Amino acid sequence: AQTVTQSQPEMSVQEAETVTLSCTYDTSESNYYLFWYKQPPSRQMILVIRQEAYKQQNATENRFSVNFQKAAKSFSLKISDSQLGDTAMYFCAFIIIQGAQKLVFGQGTRLTINP
Amino acid sequence: KAGVTQTPRYLIKTRGQQVTLSCSPISGHRSVSWYQQTPGQGLQFLFEYFSETQRNKGNFPGRFSGRQFSNSRSEMNVSTLELGDSALYLCASRGPDLGAFFGQGTRLTVV
Repeated sequence: AQTVTQSQPEMSVQEAETVTLSCTYDTSESNYYLFWYKQPPSRQMILVIRQEAYKQQNATENRFSVNFQKAAKSFSLKISDSQLGDTAMYFCAFIIIQGAQKLVFGQGTRLTINP
Repeated sequence: KAGVTQTPRYLIKTRGQQVTLSCSPISGHRSVSWYQQTPGQGLQFLFEYFSETQRNKGNFPGRFSGRQFSNSRSEMNVSTLELGDSALYLCASRGPDLGAFFGQGTRLTVV
């Protein structure tokens, strides 16, 4: 079975702090992409960062970075210098490169940045 | 480049009716996927179309159907609506690098 588990339903931090969101996944495939999506109250899913499973180097995108541990099937998201606009639901997801072209999502983590 | 456009943004329908949702992908993207989002079930894959062909289908009843046109625009149809079909329906457009870009969604309420 292909699953994604986000063990933190909710998190809350102060503005400017660093926060890490956890994600573990399960798949028997070896070639896949991993993603973090952000869904603010406006509901639109916004792609935050992506990681190709064949790359060992962790992806970074401005204040967002990931810690990808392929053997452990772990894909955490670190947000540095958090801002009020980072308040949103965050979803971890993966897609298999060959085969069913569908994103498998976790249940999400609700992140609140407090002023 | 214009993003993914979904119409309408909101819909209220009565049980037993049918509904059609529309999605225009990013220009040049040939893959369009549909997802249902509910508080209880989270995000669930409905189906994916590529070059007018359905490539994959999720575990949804036959009341849920879709199609894709030659310009890559896609429609999703739900017949004989049930209360449980109330959800946010999200369309995702994908290019060759597999990164999916979503529209703002259609909020469907069945009463």
